[in-house]
Amino acid sequence: DVKVTQSSRYLVKRTGEKVFLECVQDMDHENMFWYRQDPGLGLRLIYFSYDVKMKEKGDIPEGYSVSREKKERFSLILESASTNQTSMYLCASSYTGAGNTIYFGEGSWLTVV
Amino acid sequence: DAKTTQPTSMDCAEGRAANLPCNHSTISGNEYVYWYRQIHSQGPQYIIHGLKNNETNEMASLIITEDRKSSTLILPHATLRDTAVYYCIVRVSNRDDKIIFGKGTRLHILP
Repeated sequence: DVKVTQSSRYLVKRTGEKVFLECVQDMDHENMFWYRQDPGLGLRLIYFSYDVKMKEKGDIPEGYSVSREKKERFSLILESASTNQTSMYLCASSYTGAGNTIYFGEGSWLTVV
Repeated sequence: DAKTTQPTSMDCAEGRAANLPCNHSTISGNEYVYWYRQIHSQGPQYIIHGLKNNETNEMASLIITEDRKSSTLILPHATLRDTAVYYCIVRVSNRDDKIIFGKGTRLHILP
């Protein structure tokens, strides 16, 4: 079975802290994605990557950055966490190509206080 | 913006077929239609996908109209465990495709 593993399920961070959310997939997928999910807003794409060291902005990249140094790992970075970044963050991965399924991790619940 | 539109919520009686519609009127020829569902506090789970033909698997059936501008996900015998948010998305076959989800349909299965 494909596994997309998010390192932390629940985190509480202080305003201004630098936060790292890590995601690892075990299927050699080229594409990896970070979404955030808020009540009533659905899943919103933050960043995605289609190859090592490649990244593309999604719909809401402000306040975030990403890193993809290895194919299996895609990190989301909050340089200076703010309370409006309190949310659930979802990582996903897939092979390139429209006929390939996207697999999601279980989510990371981040609270910024 | 999402390329799909779905009703915000729907109800279905337990044991009946749940038919969830999705509009994707701007779909292009190389875009697949995917359906996912998300049960509270979990990551989205893949259900089914298709390009032109109708598809069926152990979870659901997908009916795509001939002009491909809309589709319907059918859960043949809905149970309480099917209560979830259902997302319909389209995915293009580019290397750098940006996969956008909308707000989905919240399906309530009524006992």
